[in-house]
Amino acid sequence: SQTIHQWPATLVQPVGSPLSLECTVEGTSNPNLYWYRQAAGRGLQLLFYSVGIGQISSEVPQNLSASRPQDRQFILSSKKLLLSDSGFYLCAWSAKQTATNEKLFFGSGTQLSVL
Amino acid sequence: DAKTTQPTSMDCAEGRAANLPCNHSTISGNEYVYWYRQIHSQGPQYIIHGLKNNETNEMASLIITEDRKSSTLILPHATLRDTAVYYCIVRVTTGFQKLVFGTGTRLLVSP
Repeated sequence: SQTIHQWPATLVQPVGSPLSLECTVEGTSNPNLYWYRQAAGRGLQLLFYSVGIGQISSEVPQNLSASRPQDRQFILSSKKLLLSDSGFYLCAWSAKQTATNEKLFFGSGTQLSVL
Repeated sequence: DAKTTQPTSMDCAEGRAANLPCNHSTISGNEYVYWYRQIHSQGPQYIIHGLKNNETNEMASLIITEDRKSSTLILPHATLRDTAVYYCIVRVTTGFQKLVFGTGTRLLVSP
């Protein structure tokens, strides 16, 4: 069966420090990968998605970047964190298929607090 | 993706049916209706989806109106563990398409 791992679960970082959040998927190959962010009390905002290694699409101009160095690895990064980067970050994957039952599977999330 | 409109919040008594409405008046013929839910501090979880026929699975039932401009997610016997934010999303399912979440409905199930 497929599983998605996301870490760390919580992170407290000072303003101006770098960030690296990692997400890996097991049990599938060539998945679509996503990074979402949820600010406190808000809905989910799609940040990045990737359909293949090295292919990254950004949805919102911001202080963050994403990379996909391996098929089942998705990394969210920042060189210098801002206070506004605080939030709940979720990684997700979906299988590539043309059937009518494409679903997103989410990781357990990382609660990032920038102080 | 077509936009959806959901009530901000709803309450339901434990053991009763929870009926969560969603309006998607601009839905296209090839767009499906998906429902996800997000329990506090967890990632969203897929519940059910449908095109035009009513659907049922072990978690819920989905009723789509004949004109497909609205739908209702039904949790037949709500439990306290069903307290969550429920998201209604419409999207095509031909090839890749990113999933865009709205703000959803916050369902509170009370004893």
